[in-house]
Amino acid sequence: DQQVKQNSPSLSVQEGRISILNCDYTNSMFDYFLWYKKYPAEGPTFLISISSIKDKNEDGRFTVFLNKSAKHLSLHIVPSQPGDSAVYFCAASAPQGGSEKLVFGKGTKLTVNP
Amino acid sequence: NAGVTQTPKFQVLKTGQSMTLQCAQDMNHNSMYWYRQDPGMGLRLIYYSASEGTTDKGEVPNGYNVSRLNKREFSLRLESAAPSQTSVYFCASSDQGWGTEAFFGQGTRLTVV
Repeated sequence: DQQVKQNSPSLSVQEGRISILNCDYTNSMFDYFLWYKKYPAEGPTFLISISSIKDKNEDGRFTVFLNKSAKHLSLHIVPSQPGDSAVYFCAASAPQGGSEKLVFGKGTKLTVNP
Repeated sequence: NAGVTQTPKFQVLKTGQSMTLQCAQDMNHNSMYWYRQDPGMGLRLIYYSASEGTTDKGEVPNGYNVSRLNKREFSLRLESAAPSQTSVYFCASSDQGWGTEAFFGQGTRLTVV
């Protein structure tokens, strides 16, 4: 049973517009949520995170929103740029015997058209 | 600063052959992970190690073994490769607690024929 779900396999937006990537989770023990970006033939790289005690975290063009009651988070990219075209993974972590185990969603492929 | 280094980058195996994927990190991280990425499946955790000397199964551990050789190194072994293990394998490391940002290696593309 998938604990972190990204229900949109792909998303296409125009350069300069907003990109909104969504993620749902089922495990109420998750206490930290992260977004990773992945280009082809490279490893994922960390983008932005949010702890479960907050509902918003902003870093430049990237903002993550967390709705704990709905078990939903979203990543907003404003304005979108062609270089943002990549696969975005939502991830969540829960305490696991002293370690934080990271669980990933299946990813959303974002294409930003010039 | 190398970060997380995986070797090899590419490998082709015949069914039944064995091999070990190597991973090393130079960030003094406590936790290390092995993931596989398959089309449409995202990143699935194979094994992880919370600290030197400990390992735990992830979501898809069957057919794999791991060794946390020391704090820097975490290897993944396929004892008898199967075509279903054709995948891209990523090693990652992170610190514990807050800031569980994980740093990933470049990946190993494995094909089992």
